[in-house]
Amino acid sequence: AQSVTQLGSHVSVSEGALVLLRCNYSSSVPPYLFWYVQYPNQGLQLLLKYTTGATLVKGINGFEAEFKKSETSFHLTKPSAHMSDAAEYFCAVIGGFKTIFGAGTRLFVKA
Amino acid sequence: NAGVTQTPKFRILKIGQSMTLQCTQDMNHNYMYWYRQDPGMGLKLIYYSVGAGITDKGEVPNGYNVSRSTTEDFPLRLELAAPSQTSVYFCASSYSVREAKNIQYFGAGTRLSVL
Repeated sequence: AQSVTQLGSHVSVSEGALVLLRCNYSSSVPPYLFWYVQYPNQGLQLLLKYTTGATLVKGINGFEAEFKKSETSFHLTKPSAHMSDAAEYFCAVIGGFKTIFGAGTRLFVKA
Repeated sequence: NAGVTQTPKFRILKIGQSMTLQCTQDMNHNYMYWYRQDPGMGLKLIYYSVGAGITDKGEVPNGYNVSRSTTEDFPLRLELAAPSQTSVYFCASSYSVREAKNIQYFGAGTRLSVL
């Protein structure tokens, strides 16, 4: 069965600093991986996805993620944090036709 | 284009009361989902539907019911509200369940408190 584990329920960075949100997956088949973002009082929206092909995936708002099969990881990064990046981020894997979400990581950005 | 619309945004129920959470989408998606979100727990799938007239249980269906009479609407029914159902509920839809295309579009959520 597919699953994802997000390391760290809260991450705090200063504005302009690197953002790194960690996600490890478990899958018996080649995984399809997603990152979603949830801004306060809103639903989730897609940030980026990995299906096949290039292992470095670029998403919206300057975020990117790298699929590393050897490490079963799909970490999300952004070179320079902005105050508007403060949100909760969810890693997800497709399991059959269902989406399995991680527990989420809340990102705080300090001025 | 409204996307996925949920009503109400907030609701307080007394124990034992019932209510229906409404969800409608205007993207002509066949696949629709109900999730609940509890702090630190991510999203748990309650029910899903693969098309009008077809629904199935997800991970946490107890205490809930759904129906899907049209492609657009997917209401979630709570028959006898319990404090354990205090949560934020999200409806979502997708146009495909083929893995690479299974992108979900979410409503803004319904925040429910059962007291």
